[in-house]
Amino acid sequence: ETGVTQTPRHLVMGMTNKKSLKCEQHLGHNAMYWYKQSAKKPLELMFVYSLEERVENNSVPSRFSPECPNSSHLFLHLHTLQPEDSALYLCASSHRQGGYGYTFGSGTRLTVV
Amino acid sequence: GNSVTQMEGPVTLSEEAFLTINCTYTATGYPSLFWYVQYPGEGLQLLLKATKADDKGSNKGFEATYRKETTSFHLEKGSVQVSDSAVYFCALHENSGGSNYKLTFGKGTLLTVNP
Repeated sequence: ETGVTQTPRHLVMGMTNKKSLKCEQHLGHNAMYWYKQSAKKPLELMFVYSLEERVENNSVPSRFSPECPNSSHLFLHLHTLQPEDSALYLCASSHRQGGYGYTFGSGTRLTVV
Repeated sequence: GNSVTQMEGPVTLSEEAFLTINCTYTATGYPSLFWYVQYPGEGLQLLLKATKADDKGSNKGFEATYRKETTSFHLEKGSVQVSDSAVYFCALHENSGGSNYKLTFGKGTLLTVNP
């Protein structure tokens, strides 16, 4: 257990479904991140929240919708996804002064069918 | 902008062999440097870090020395084990003050250790 918990660990969804990924940390961190990791591609930073405010959105399609209700929880709402969205979605947290590094969750393996 | 370049993988070694994974970086200031490891089916875990020039980070038999003159942070281990098989990521954080939270990651290097 790393201190950052992601649920579910695995998710299979159809292209017309709506689902949500959840991330939770109780490390006292105040910045949280969503990353996408696809086979044979670099890590892609999707969204950054600092003090519950979205501070970065890297041209992510609107079918991905993040939500950060408090500093301990982060969600990624998914709807009408495409097969190419199948990937490992990683959540991470850190202090706003990121020089201490990130703590990552174990990820959600998403398959879109 | 900042960037991190890692050696291309995959790297395949026999158990007890010596490991080096090269990492060089570009940054305008004085970054902190990190190595993360990702075991199959898991997220990334912090392996070691160094925050200033000539610092050596070490953990689980792995070492890396922050070399400012060559802008490098190469990962080494004297004798690898099968359990070290994983993907290794080099990363940097530039200490520019304020709310500077972004890590810049390399592309990752897959290491496979055979018995």
